[in-house]
Amino acid sequence: GAVVSQHPSWVICKSGTSVKIECRSLDFQATTMFWYRQFPKQSLMLMATSNEGSKATYEQGVEKDKFLINHASLTLSTLTVTSAHPEDSSFYICSASGGGRETQYFGPGTRLLVL
Amino acid sequence: RKEVEQDPGPFNVPEGATVAFNCTYSNSASQSFFWYRQDCRKEPKLLMSVYSSGNEDGRFTAQLNRASQYISLLIRDSKLSDSATYLCVVRNAGNMLTFGGGTRLMVKP
Repeated sequence: GAVVSQHPSWVICKSGTSVKIECRSLDFQATTMFWYRQFPKQSLMLMATSNEGSKATYEQGVEKDKFLINHASLTLSTLTVTSAHPEDSSFYICSASGGGRETQYFGPGTRLLVL
Repeated sequence: RKEVEQDPGPFNVPEGATVAFNCTYSNSASQSFFWYRQDCRKEPKLLMSVYSSGNEDGRFTAQLNRASQYISLLIRDSKLSDSATYLCVVRNAGNMLTFGGGTRLMVKP
């Protein structure tokens, strides 16, 4: 299968700071990347879908000004959690598809803890 | 009503047991169906796709009933390493995946 990486794998930050998470497709060109969030004991919830070179499409209830998504290249998408608060603490997972692959390949996730 | 519903479990079974998970989905226009496995603090990993004709991969058998909008996963001869959360996933238009809440399986010696 294809390889998708995320960085950092975990981050602890103070309330009010911004955190950037990178998602990279290592061996294929990802025309579409997806960002999910997973709270403890819950399933993955799609936050937004981003297509390379265009604005992300956010799911209902997800604040686009708080969760900034950039998909400037076919191998990189970034999610920035602006002014993070403790309730933003979660497991953030990206996935990527493209290059003729319909399957979404998941990154290993980033665990965010906001103190 | 959630778009994809699963019994959250946990299912506690002894090694060697056969265990079955069920899932229902509400969107009749859903196009593709999958079972994913997620280990604690890890990302979900594709276990298998699910087809109407039924498909088998070793000890795992998946079945789809489009008329009933029902998906199942059967695990035979359970191993300790099968302990995980199993996610029922539906793909809709635009390659959008919707995840069920997951069913937790614990296989004990």
